[in-house]
Amino acid sequence: SQKIEQNSEALNIQEGKTATLTCNYTNYSPAYLQWYRQDPGRGPVFLLLIRENEKEKRKERLKVTFDTTLKQSLFHITASQPADSATYLCALDGGSYIPTFGRGTSLIVHP
Amino acid sequence: DAGVIQSPRHEVTEMGQEVTLRCKPISGHNSLFWYRQTMMRGLELLIYFNNNVPIDDSGMPEDRFSAKMPNASFSTLKIQPSEPRDSAVYFCASLLGGNEQFFGPGTRLTVL
Repeated sequence: SQKIEQNSEALNIQEGKTATLTCNYTNYSPAYLQWYRQDPGRGPVFLLLIRENEKEKRKERLKVTFDTTLKQSLFHITASQPADSATYLCALDGGSYIPTFGRGTSLIVHP
Repeated sequence: DAGVIQSPRHEVTEMGQEVTLRCKPISGHNSLFWYRQTMMRGLELLIYFNNNVPIDDSGMPEDRFSAKMPNASFSTLKIQPSEPRDSAVYFCASLLGGNEQFFGPGTRLTVL
């Protein structure tokens, strides 16, 4: 069955460092991969989308890579700030515009 | 635009009662999604509407759950009768083409 894996353990890093979150998947051929941010008590907010034929996408301090051979996406936040603390969800879409979400990884940036 | 609006924000009810959750998508968006989020199972798609028509309801857990979209600006998700295992946060999201979904603030449902 299709599976999306994100590290269930929180990632703790120091302010100013680069945070790297991982999204692995199996039994899936996504056309798109998206990353969302979710703050406590709020709905997810879209951050970035990367297509299967793209290796890397950047937006300000965010960078996403997509390796369809490894079946993995990495999400990087450079020069992290305490305000970046949140849960980050990856979502895979096979091209139907109906994404399947991972359970998310919590990021905690310490000042 | 106010974004996706959901009501109520919190709902506490007793087992066996009917629960109705409401969603107003962003004006002009033609797709609407209902999700349920729990610690155990994460964010699960329940049902997806396109142009007010239900396209995929395979995620609806059982017949106790029903959803309607009578017009482009309103949708409901109903649980009747509710059970304690239905306790979760229910999100509505909308989109206009593309892939970026806009989520509402969610309804936290507690069934005692």
